[in-house]
This record gives sequence, C-alpha cells and structure tokens, in this order.
Amino acid sequence: DQQVKQNSPSLSVQEGRISILNCDYTNSMFDYFLWYKKYPAEGPTFLISISSIKDKNEDGRFTVFLNKSAKHLSLHIVPSQPGDSAVYFCAASAGLVNDMRFGAGTRLTVKP
Amino acid sequence: DAGVTQSPTHLIKTRGQHVTLRCSPISGHKSVSWYQQVLGQGPQFIFQYYEKEERGRGNFPDRFSARQFPNYSSELNVNALLLGDSALYLCASSERQVLNYGYTFGSGTRLTVV
Repeated sequence: DQQVKQNSPSLSVQEGRISILNCDYTNSMFDYFLWYKKYPAEGPTFLISISSIKDKNEDGRFTVFLNKSAKHLSLHIVPSQPGDSAVYFCAASAGLVNDMRFGAGTRLTVKP
Repeated sequence: DAGVTQSPTHLIKTRGQHVTLRCSPISGHKSVSWYQQVLGQGPQFIFQYYEKEERGRGNFPDRFSARQFPNYSSELNVNALLLGDSALYLCASSERQVLNYGYTFGSGTRLTVV
C-alpha cells in the first residue's frame, strides 16, 4: 500500500533557482515527516523533518512545508546547487513504532 | 567516528539459499532498523530492534528474521531466497526507539539472487 507518494520521478532545475519536491500521503495517523537525500552507492542521509504540529520548518537552504488538510508536504531548496543533485525521499511515521514509510523518490538534477 | 557499517557490501546468492547480513550501529545507538529497497522504489521497513528486543515488524514473510546482540549490532537473516529478494538492504541506527529526527543509515548490502 502506497501511503506515501512522490509523483514526480525526476526534476531538473538550473543552478541558483528554486527546487520544489512534492510528496503526498494518505494515512492521517502520520505525525512526523522527514526528507532524505541519497547519492549513488550511499545510504539515505537525513535532511530535514517536520512534526504535524507545525506547518513549516527551515534549515539553511532547505524548507519543508506541511499542509495537513491536503495531506501534502513539499521541500524547497533555495538556491539550488549542483551538489544537491541526488534522489530525494519523503518519509512519514506514526505513533511510537519507528516504522517510516517512504515514497519512491524524486531524482533532482541541478544543472550548472 | 564510525558511522553505521554494514557487511558485506555486495552478495550474490542462488534461489533457495540462506543469507545473513550484518550491521554495526553508531557507538551509543541502541536501536537498529532494517529496510529493503528494491530498484525504483523507496526503502521498505522490515524490522526494528531496540535494546535487543523486536519493537516493530513490517509486512514481510517469516523467511525474514533478525536479532540484536548485547553490543547492539544486528543480523538480518533471509531463508529460502527468492529472485524478488534481490534488493539493497539498509540498516539504520538511532539512539532511541522513537525519533524526532532522522535515522543514520549505512551504505547498505546489495543482494542479488540468481
């Protein structure tokens, strides 16, 4: 069951512009959302997270927005850099069980 | 400061065989979780162990089992391998059972079943 969906398999942006990666979820019990970045031959690296009690969390160039009514979250990267080129996974968890549900990922390419 | 280490990095097995994958968490981390990532998909939760006890299990058949040792390292065992078990197996560690931040993942073990 695809409880977390990333509908765009790929995204290409120019260096210096904004990258917006989107994620939708279906399970209203999810109360914590995370973004991971993955380079080839490496494990996913935690990027930023947001609790369901917030609608925005910012960390440097990365901002995550949560719209609970729409069950939608997005990751904004401003400005985008070539080193940001990677696969980005959205993940969500519910309750005490530390079981993260991941989306299928979006491959971001930032062109110099 | 060592991160999460997994061994082996690559493995080729034949259908019907058994495989054991190993994971050493970051020093001080008591929770280890296992995920399976099939090509083109996101990681799927298999198990979480915390303080040597199973604390969560994903939707995987009984052919999959795991354990955590007193030093908090962990093994994932898969019996009667199927072609569909070919995947990247990721181990993640954390200090606590429940997080308000992200796991630290290892680089994974690439299992190919032929």
